[in-house]
Amino acid sequence: KAGVTQTPRYLIKTRGQQVTLSCSPISGHRSVSWYQQTPGQGLQFLFEYFSETQRNKGNFPGRFSGRQFSNSRSEMNVSTLELGDSALYLCASSLVGQGADIQYFGAGTRLSVL
Amino acid sequence: AQSVTQLGSHVSVSEGALVLLRCNYSSSVPPYLFWYVQYPNQGLQLLLKYTSAATLVKGINGFEAEFKKSETSFHLTKPSAHMSDAAEYFCAVISNRDDKIIFGKGTRLHILP
Repeated sequence: KAGVTQTPRYLIKTRGQQVTLSCSPISGHRSVSWYQQTPGQGLQFLFEYFSETQRNKGNFPGRFSGRQFSNSRSEMNVSTLELGDSALYLCASSLVGQGADIQYFGAGTRLSVL
Repeated sequence: AQSVTQLGSHVSVSEGALVLLRCNYSSSVPPYLFWYVQYPNQGLQLLLKYTSAATLVKGINGFEAEFKKSETSFHLTKPSAHMSDAAEYFCAVISNRDDKIIFGKGTRLHILP
């Protein structure tokens, strides 16, 4: 069974640009969660999608958005990039969601904002 | 609000020695507690999960953790460290209030030959 796939693995953008990251969950998983990992703040929850609906959201500004498609694939978008958005963005999938379920993580997309 | 504290951002142990990574959660008992491991350039992998079925939880790679309500702790242990255990370890809880997952800052484990 294929694992969680995140594309691209590395991305370099400049301030003010926007970026879209992609996450393909494990087949059959309906929940996809996104996290931001930085040396200073550690791992922070961005949002969770389940069956194309945002089910939960962390404390991030509106520049961070996401969506989920009918095949459970998810995208995350960051608009008007800031230097502080440089981070490793991790996606995790699970059958039904956080908590009771085990989350399986992708290898992440490392975003550098110059 | 629920919180997680991991004592020690870096821990070094000799190969073959006991591994002890500390995690304390805030006072309200969370429904779920986790330990994850992250190897360089990889995502997180679940080591073990506490769900109130048993206070001693056994995980993969010889790790285990004990839930102690009186100490609000969920420390991770392994009797004998192996070089391959060198990685970053994260403790996490699910918040009672809003079901969000909250991670600790992480502890980087170094194994000395």
